[in-house]
Amino acid sequence: NAGVTQTPKFQVLKTGQSMTLQCAQDMNHNSMYWYRQDPGMGLRLIYYSASEGTTDKGEVPNGYNVSRLNKREFSLRLESAAPSQTSVYFCASKETGTTYEQYFGPGTRLTVT
Amino acid sequence: AQSVSQHNHHVILSEAASLELGCNYSYGGTVNLFWYVQYPGQHLQLLLKYFSGDPLVKGIKGFEAEFIKSKFSFNLRKPSVQWSDTAEYFCAVNQYNNNDMRFGAGTRLTVKP
Repeated sequence: NAGVTQTPKFQVLKTGQSMTLQCAQDMNHNSMYWYRQDPGMGLRLIYYSASEGTTDKGEVPNGYNVSRLNKREFSLRLESAAPSQTSVYFCASKETGTTYEQYFGPGTRLTVT
Repeated sequence: AQSVSQHNHHVILSEAASLELGCNYSYGGTVNLFWYVQYPGQHLQLLLKYFSGDPLVKGIKGFEAEFIKSKFSFNLRKPSVQWSDTAEYFCAVNQYNNNDMRFGAGTRLTVKP
C-alpha cells in the first residue's frame, strides 16, 4: 500500500515550457487535490476533484489545468511555465465526506528559470 | 473572503516549555477542523481533527486542540515540547458538505535541546 505517490520528485523548467505532474493513490479515495506550498503562504489549493469525472477550481487555478484520468490518478499540467510557478506541489486524497482527513504525497519541487 | 489565519509564523521554544499555536477561521456555519504537521523533509501528516462532540480533542504525540466556536478558533497545545517536535504546523478547515479544504500559512516551531 503505497498511499499517495507523485512523479517527478524534482523538475527544472525554462519559462514557457510545459509539463505534467502525476499523482496516483491506491486507497480507493474519491477526492483528490493539488496544492502548492510557498514560504510564508502555507498550502494553497490549486484544483480539486470530488469524484472521478469532476474537477473544481481552488484559490489559485490560473496557469494550471488538471485531469482526473480515473479514480486513482489526478494530474496537474502547466501549459506555459512561469517563474511565479516555482514552488513545491503536493497532491492529496481523501475519503468522501468532510470529516475525513487528507493523505499527502511526498511533493514535487519545481523550479522555473 | 473565507480564510484561515495562523498568528505565529515562527515560534522558538526550549525543551519542556509549553506550546500554544493559534488558528482562527472566518467560515460561517458548521466546519471541520484539522491540524497537520510537516517534519523537515517529509510530507504533511495529520495530528488531530475535530468535527463534532467534545471540543477538546487529543491527537498523536501528546498534542491537543480546543475548538471555541464563539471565537472561531482551534488552537493547538502541548504541555511540554521535545526537540523532535521541531516542524511546521498547519491548521486546515473545511465547511460541512464542502470538499474544498483550506490551509493556514503555517507556523514553524523550533525546539532547542
